[in-house]
Amino acid sequence: SQQGEEDPQALSIQEGENATMNCSYKTSINNLQWYRQNSGRGLVHLILIRSNEREKHSGRLRVTLDTSKKSSSLLITASRAADTASYFCATALSSNTGKLIFGQGTTLQVKP
Amino acid sequence: GAVVSQHPSRVICKSGTSVKIECRSLDFQATTMFWYRQFPKKSLMLMATSNEGSKATYEQGVEKDKFLINHASLTLSTLTVTSAHPEDSSFYICSAEGLAGAPDTQYFGPGTRLTVL
Repeated sequence: SQQGEEDPQALSIQEGENATMNCSYKTSINNLQWYRQNSGRGLVHLILIRSNEREKHSGRLRVTLDTSKKSSSLLITASRAADTASYFCATALSSNTGKLIFGQGTTLQVKP
Repeated sequence: GAVVSQHPSRVICKSGTSVKIECRSLDFQATTMFWYRQFPKKSLMLMATSNEGSKATYEQGVEKDKFLINHASLTLSTLTVTSAHPEDSSFYICSAEGLAGAPDTQYFGPGTRLTVL
């Protein structure tokens, strides 16, 4: 079954605006991670939030985690054209095998 | 630090041939490497988990005789697509986790695009 569901699937905003992406999951997790992928490229790790954390910041990124709702959000503030990419959430299960289960991703387009 | 490379970045082959993809951790020792497959505009699907010196653990539905994985050292894992067919065309990405960088964090290679004619 699908572990990570993301919405929206696609998001188009103007430069300077904020972008919010959501991720929901089904089973207990050890941590949740957000990755970025430029078209045809590998993934870049953005931020990791552990199951006992509720919010984390890194530069223009803010991630929240609500384990009671089994959901997470990624907020990119003051977006730039260079933020255009696909963003994936990935969950590491409580069994801590190291395996990551990826969501379907959100494609973000930031227009200059 | 924590750089992962893949080679080749792109390969085109004829149906029936075998293709080997290398995944290397350049500046750290990778205790575990993961192989993923990604279809166009889709998410990453975990194929197998590879630990140095032991057999890979394959996900359900992934044929281990089709996708041979060897993790011969702490810096190198290889994926061989045997007797490739057009339906094996995809973007293959590896990641490595180990004694570097942030804990519980996988570092991804740039991917290999395989096209089988």
